[in-house]
Amino acid sequence: EAQVTQNPRYLITVTGKKLTVTCSQNMNHEYMSWYRQDPGLGLRQIYYSMNVEVTDKGDVPEGYKVSRKEKRNFPLILESPSPNQTSLYFCASSLARVRGYTEAFFGQGTRLTVV
Amino acid sequence: SQKIEQNSEALNIQEGKTATLTCNYTNYSPAYLQWYRQDPGRGPVFLLLIRENEKEKRKERLKVTFDTTLKQSLFHITASQPADSATYLCALDTTYNTDKLIFGTGTRLQVFP
Repeated sequence: EAQVTQNPRYLITVTGKKLTVTCSQNMNHEYMSWYRQDPGLGLRQIYYSMNVEVTDKGDVPEGYKVSRKEKRNFPLILESPSPNQTSLYFCASSLARVRGYTEAFFGQGTRLTVV
Repeated sequence: SQKIEQNSEALNIQEGKTATLTCNYTNYSPAYLQWYRQDPGRGPVFLLLIRENEKEKRKERLKVTFDTTLKQSLFHITASQPADSATYLCALDTTYNTDKLIFGTGTRLQVFP
């Protein structure tokens, strides 16, 4: 089954404690991205990756890091989480960004609470 | 700045009626527009994609229109059912930046029996 898998689904952590949210896709997609979703603000892109070893900032990258060492994996790293990073996070993947063919597949989400 | 607007108020309709959701955008020249469905606490699920040179697209009970002059897309669900209750998001790519989708905040649809 084609899917994007995120782990964990729920996470409560304390301010400053480094954490990693994993994301894996089994569709051989080149393009992967991370979003956060907050009430009234919608989905905002954090980082994206066009391919292995190619990453770039989205709209709200501050406080986050990513890496793309393998095509299937795109972990999101919070080096020093703060309460304003409490949010619902989604990983998404799609085929290469060929114009007109960019249906995005989303993971099931990770609800992060930073206290 | 680029902006996408969807009605933030929930749309409540009776089962069997046609639901119409609106997506307006400014300062964009999108190459195409997508609609997604999102259930509470879950990831968005792709529904339809329409390109800038297409006026209308249909899939079963769903219909999307795309008016690049009005800078608007309409999303219709005909013969709506309670199972259609969800939040619907529109997303745009742009002609000049193909590296990301820009999402609207979504409109919540509630279909009552």
